[in-house]
Amino acid sequence: DIQMTQSPSSLSASVGDRVTVTCRASQDIHNSLAWFQQKPGKAPKLLLFAASRLESGVPSRFSGSGSGTDYTLTISGLQPEDFATYYCQQYYRIPLTFGGGTKVEIK
Amino acid sequence: QVQLMQSGPEVKKPGASVKVSCKTSGYTFGAYGLSWVRQAPGQGLEWMGRISALNGNTRYSEKFQGRITMTVDTSTSTAFLDLRSLRSDDTAVYFCARMSATMYTDYWGQGTLLIVSS
Repeated sequence: DIQMTQSPSSLSASVGDRVTVTCRASQDIHNSLAWFQQKPGKAPKLLLFAASRLESGVPSRFSGSGSGTDYTLTISGLQPEDFATYYCQQYYRIPLTFGGGTKVEIK
Repeated sequence: QVQLMQSGPEVKKPGASVKVSCKTSGYTFGAYGLSWVRQAPGQGLEWMGRISALNGNTRYSEKFQGRITMTVDTSTSTAFLDLRSLRSDDTAVYFCARMSATMYTDYWGQGTLLIVSS
């Protein structure tokens, strides 16, 4: 199975900050990476797929980059509604696997 | 619009079975696969398996092999998850999610809470 290591597990930030979350795969996943946002009691929401492609309707302050085994989610200008937990997921190979999550909290 | 509507919460005793449903609408059912993902209380996301809504082909996580069955009913555009021999650590929220052609999950159901307790 492909292991996904996500860091940090949590961070504190202020509105307007630039936030970066990283995800490392245990093998090359060829950009088959998605990022999700999850709020308490809700289903995950797709933000990006193919490492850097923004899902329709997702604000442009969310961006993704990376290749091979290392990927990054960036939120440029954190908004109050962005405080949530973020997960990466590789879909290059079954079983699909998720990172452990990054909880973004208010500083 | 695409919607995935899941069945309601369940409380089961250890050793029992549960069947969770996921009724879809707003898209051509057979054109997409469906994944099931679960989330234990306070924990991360765990992929359980996926099913093709076109032909019913399944791929399960090895962790659940022998205890899990995924099926679809194309007449009602509904997917089902059967989980047997329930244990307390099966207590979780279970999500269904539509899979794109390249296998990322784009639309998710609201989740079904399963509590396994004696």
